[in-house]
Amino acid sequence: KNQVEQSPQSLIILEGKNCTLQCNYTVSPFSNLRWYKQDTGRGPVSLTIMTFSENTKSNGRYTATLDADTKQSSLHITASQLSDSASYICVVSDRGSTLGRLYFGRGTQLTVWP
Amino acid sequence: EADIYQTPRYLVIGTGKKITLECSQTMGHDKMYWYQQDPGMELHLIHYSYGVNSTEKGDLSSESTVSRIRTEHFPLTLESARPSHTSQYLCASSEDKPSPYEQYFGPGTRLTVT
Repeated sequence: KNQVEQSPQSLIILEGKNCTLQCNYTVSPFSNLRWYKQDTGRGPVSLTIMTFSENTKSNGRYTATLDADTKQSSLHITASQLSDSASYICVVSDRGSTLGRLYFGRGTQLTVWP
Repeated sequence: EADIYQTPRYLVIGTGKKITLECSQTMGHDKMYWYQQDPGMELHLIHYSYGVNSTEKGDLSSESTVSRIRTEHFPLTLESARPSHTSQYLCASSEDKPSPYEQYFGPGTRLTVT
């Protein structure tokens, strides 16, 4: 069964600190992995997309890593800001269908305190 | 920010009413999607479309229906709303190109059926 599991479920950090969010998946055959940021009451916004051949990708203070062998990914946030408070969703796409089906994790709810 | 719009943003309606959630995009994308998301849970695909006059059901069974008469417009209709339909509904669109394709989300409609 294709699944995406994220940890921790929620996380509270102080402004300026770094944090790392984890994602494990069982989706096969694998096509790509994305990280989205979803602010409360808004739609998800893409942060990074990584294919099988990529093992790291950065977008400003966000750095995603991918280990396709162990089927794990992480999202590292550097020097957190209050605006980083949001849900971070790991999404994996398969290549077994024309649609390129997306499998969503439940997200990690990050809260940044001043 | 992506040019994809949803109206209304919030809707509270009584049981048995017919409702239509609107979704429009100005990017000329052929592929459009409807997702359902409950608090703290993953997004579930309920409908998708490859283009005009093309609609398909997604992974999650839904009593809603969709239509795609124009490229930019992908409305979702519930003929008779029930409390079990209370949820957040997210519309998305993407270009018609091989994976990985960027999927852009609207801000969502939060529906409450009393």
